[in-house]
Amino acid sequence: EAQVTQNPRYLITVTGKKLTVTCSQNMNHEYMSWYRQDPGLGLRQIYYSMNVEVTDKGDVPEGYKVSRKEKRNFPLILESPSPNQTSLYFCASSLQGPGPPRNEQFFGPGTRLTVL
Amino acid sequence: AQKVTQAQTEISVVEKEDVTLDCVYETRDTTYYLFWYKQPPSGELVFLIRRNSFDEQNEISGRYSWNFQKSTSSFNFTITASQVVDSAVYFCALSGLDSNYQLIWGAGTKLIIKP
Repeated sequence: EAQVTQNPRYLITVTGKKLTVTCSQNMNHEYMSWYRQDPGLGLRQIYYSMNVEVTDKGDVPEGYKVSRKEKRNFPLILESPSPNQTSLYFCASSLQGPGPPRNEQFFGPGTRLTVL
Repeated sequence: AQKVTQAQTEISVVEKEDVTLDCVYETRDTTYYLFWYKQPPSGELVFLIRRNSFDEQNEISGRYSWNFQKSTSSFNFTITASQVVDSAVYFCALSGLDSNYQLIWGAGTKLIIKP
């Protein structure tokens, strides 16, 4: 089944404790992206990746890191989480043909993170 | 800069009523893409439609229809004969060169369909 998977789905942690949220897709998509969703703000992009070893900052990259060493995986790393990073996080991927990503994005199920 | 405005924070209607969700966008691009996504109470994001800026034909898919009007920079979504299962948060999004083709999202409209 074509899908984007995220783990964990729920996480409660404490300030400063490094964590990684994994994201994996099995559709051979070139493009992957991380978003956070907060009430009243819609989705805001954290980082994106056009292809392996290519990553770029989105609108709200502060406090986050990513890597894209393999096509299928795009982990989100919080080196020192803070309470303002409490949010719902979504990973997404899309097929990128020639030119910019304009195809529909497929989303993972979301990771609800609480930082105390 | 690109921007998407969904002015309706929450809409509540009774089942079988028609309902229109508004989406107004701003962009300097001549070529761009518009999207609608649905987020049901279970939380996942479901793609509904993509529209290219050079295709102004309205689209209908079952009870769903979309009205794209470049003259007013709007891409409105209408559900005909609404059902309880349509209850969800609906997001409009825009992609274009001005945003390096990253999706710019509206804040979403929460739609409540009462039985």
